[in-house]
Amino acid sequence: QTVLRQPPSASGTPGQRVTISCSGSSSNIGSNYVNWYKVLPGKAPKVVIYIDNERPSGVPDRFSGSKSGTSASLAISGLQPEDEADYYCATLDGSLTGPWVFGGGTKLTVL
Amino acid sequence: EVYLVESGGAVVQPGGSLRLSCAASGFVFSDYTMHWVRQTPVKGLEWVSLISRDGGHTHYADSVRARFTISRDNSKNSLFLQMSGLKSEDAGLYYCAKGGRGISGVIDPWGQGTLVSVSS
Repeated sequence: QTVLRQPPSASGTPGQRVTISCSGSSSNIGSNYVNWYKVLPGKAPKVVIYIDNERPSGVPDRFSGSKSGTSASLAISGLQPEDEADYYCATLDGSLTGPWVFGGGTKLTVL
Repeated sequence: EVYLVESGGAVVQPGGSLRLSCAASGFVFSDYTMHWVRQTPVKGLEWVSLISRDGGHTHYADSVRARFTISRDNSKNSLFLQMSGLKSEDAGLYYCAKGGRGISGVIDPWGQGTLVSVSS
């Protein structure tokens, strides 16, 4: 059972806008920041959004994050082929003895 | 630039033990919390453990508590994960990652990972 629920897959065509959701609870998303990671095969995971909606330097402004209540979303506008990857949300959870938790991941396909 | 290089991954039998290491450079190692996160085909990314800057505080995921031990040597800029009682579900790619100054800081960047296989 995954504490943070993500859709297993998402897709879009080049130029489209796609969103990936991350649903949690009051003990995790509802009371802590959310970070989003991009994972490519054979590559180290990389943060693309941190503290709900902040973009690290080097991440295109096509990437944005939002949060409302106990859910968070990652939006990618102007979809590019290089955006095809697995995306994970992550946050702290005060109800768990181990503080950090990741979502189950969403595989984004660029058609 | 931050570099994190994991090592120690291997094929081990169920019930066996393994020690993973992570060599860090490019930042003041002793100023940051450090994490181990694993990636498995079934669960994807799974947070495993963290250790505070001075090593005085550690946290573990329920799935590994009492079997894994995280430690660090700030004099050698090194992070370790001692794994025992290994199960098939522990197999995966283990990443070392830099955290923040406290346990709540963003986990990034990550190393390239070291592969652990559990098989008889």
